[in-house]
Amino acid sequence: GAVVSQHPSRVICKSGTSVKIECRSLDFQATTMFWYRQFPKKSLMLMATSNEGSKATYEQGVEKDKFLINHASLTLSTLTVTSAHPEDSSFYICSARSGLASDTQYFGPGTRLTVL
Amino acid sequence: QKEVEQNSGPLSVPEGAIASLNCTYSDRVSQSFFWYRQYSGKSPELIMSIYSNGDKEDGRFTAQLNKASQYVSLLIRDSQPSDSATYLCAALTGNQFYFGTGTSLTVIP
Repeated sequence: GAVVSQHPSRVICKSGTSVKIECRSLDFQATTMFWYRQFPKKSLMLMATSNEGSKATYEQGVEKDKFLINHASLTLSTLTVTSAHPEDSSFYICSARSGLASDTQYFGPGTRLTVL
Repeated sequence: QKEVEQNSGPLSVPEGAIASLNCTYSDRVSQSFFWYRQYSGKSPELIMSIYSNGDKEDGRFTAQLNKASQYVSLLIRDSQPSDSATYLCAALTGNQFYFGTGTSLTVIP
């Protein structure tokens, strides 16, 4: 099956620092990658959609200057949380959409960010 | 109106019973549907996808799609405590994925 990896799985940082999260599709080329965040006991919230080589499309209310997304290749997307604050502490999950016939979205294992 | 709606639950069933999870969607042109399972503190994991009207079976799981009524369901036979999780329904409409808020399932030993 399709595998999506995320790194790091867990990160703790001080307020004001920037954190980069990598998302990779390991055995397929992803036409599109998605970034979500999820607070405890809450549903997934789509932050942005990114296509390789083009600018990400951000959902309403998501600050594009704070959450920088780079989709450098068909297998790699990165999310950088700039000048992180405690309210940015959350579970960040990426997913990749396979361009194959099944056209399915596969999720990475997630990154738990804690900002002190 | 939300694109995809699910009963948030919680849904409790005894071990060995059939768990029935339901989902409705609002856009008739939605073409593909997915069920994901999410354990607490983990990311969603794909269980099944379904594209055509009718039933699709995979082990203890059966997905059912009724496009005329715009609903998708997931049946879990012989429910096990390890099936306790939140189940997310998703619909693909054009190039957009829409997720429901999830149904929490607890299987009681």
